[in-house]
Amino acid sequence: ELKVEQNPLFLSMQEGKNYTIYCNYSTTSDRLYWYRQDPGKSLESLFVLLSNGAVKQEGRLMASLDTKARLSTLHITAAVHDLSATYFCAVVYGGSQGNLIFGKGTKLSVKP
Amino acid sequence: DAGITQSPRYKITETGRQVTLMCHQTWSHSYMFWYRQDLGHGLRLIYYSAAADITDKGEVPDGYVVSRSKTENFPLTLESATRSQTSVYFCASGPGTPSYNEQFFGPGTRLTVL
Repeated sequence: ELKVEQNPLFLSMQEGKNYTIYCNYSTTSDRLYWYRQDPGKSLESLFVLLSNGAVKQEGRLMASLDTKARLSTLHITAAVHDLSATYFCAVVYGGSQGNLIFGKGTKLSVKP
Repeated sequence: DAGITQSPRYKITETGRQVTLMCHQTWSHSYMFWYRQDLGHGLRLIYYSAAADITDKGEVPDGYVVSRSKTENFPLTLESATRSQTSVYFCASGPGTPSYNEQFFGPGTRLTVL
């Protein structure tokens, strides 16, 4: 059974600081997704990582994937308040092309 | 407009009643999904469908029924609602190709079972 663990689950940081969110998963997978969810809203796709060593960047966020270590990171550079949200990673489950198993999410709060 | 929609957005019902949540997508995606989101559990897959007339169970299917007679619609029915089914329900769709499984989420339905 695939398990996806994120840490930390809660993160309070100051504007301008850097931090990394980690996503570990328990079985082999070469595809990983990051989503953002604002309070009371739906999930918005941030990054699609499709191979070992993949790195994607959008603004102050950068995601990477190491399939050998079964680890993805979401790095936040010089955080701003607008990045406050919950971030989920999700991993493809087994051979089924459609299934994603989600982590429990990291709730990020960026304070002035 | 293209996209994925859910209805109703909010629903209050009573224990034992049947409730159907609707999901409609205009992208002609082959895959559609139903998730529930609960505090402390993240998102859990209830059912998914790879194509019209093909459905399969996810992690938490008990108490739910789905159908998919048309590619664009994927209704979720709670046959006899229970309080434990109070949750936010998200529908999603995706192309489901081997190299690209990205899922696109609807706005969600907040269901309260009294």
